[in-house]
Amino acid sequence: GQQLNQSPQSMFIQEGEDVSMNCTSSSIFNTWLWYKQDPGEGPVLLIALYKAGELTSNGRLTAQFGITRKDSFLNISASIPSDVGIYFCAGQEGVTSGTYKYIFGTGTRLKVLA
Amino acid sequence: DAGITQSPRHKVTETGTPVTLRCHQTENHRYMYWYRQDPGHGLRLIHYSYGVKDTDKGEVSDGYSVSRSKTEDFLLTLESATSSQTSVYFCATSGQGITEAFFGQGTRLTVV
Repeated sequence: GQQLNQSPQSMFIQEGEDVSMNCTSSSIFNTWLWYKQDPGEGPVLLIALYKAGELTSNGRLTAQFGITRKDSFLNISASIPSDVGIYFCAGQEGVTSGTYKYIFGTGTRLKVLA
Repeated sequence: DAGITQSPRHKVTETGTPVTLRCHQTENHRYMYWYRQDPGHGLRLIHYSYGVKDTDKGEVSDGYSVSRSKTEDFLLTLESATSSQTSVYFCATSGQGITEAFFGQGTRLTVV
């Protein structure tokens, strides 16, 4: 079945550094979502993107919806220890058919060294 | 937070036994989903529901069945549990016209 390719798989960075991760798909999505999962919790939405080329920020987070609609990028600026977690991209499909499925990436595990 | 409750939160079961996980939501969301999370695989869709009694298979549905007899509850059943079904299971919901999927806290299932 389809799954989104997310990279890198894991990152160790120093506090204060900027972080970039991306997600690619073989299919076109009309909506891209980025989630963060803290240990022992369910994923929580960070940013939602609705149009090709869209660039959206949420505090220190910035995400972009790729022009081809087959990729998306997430940047975190000036990382802090609480940014630790697993970041997932997700594409929403089935909107026109009314079935609304979310396909998730494999995740990027981020560790921040103080 | 969307009111999504998964039960049980932890379960250990023996190979070959049936297991049912429950997802209960108080948001009146139309769409409900079951995912499993495994290292290196991220979140994979098992089954989903787009309305009461309307369900469909996801990418990893073999060995699983679901039922949704009312809006609030979505049940995931492992018909005969196997060790490969040891995983963390997440329920998610989404409402009509809402882009975001909201997640429950997860159920950690171990099959021994």
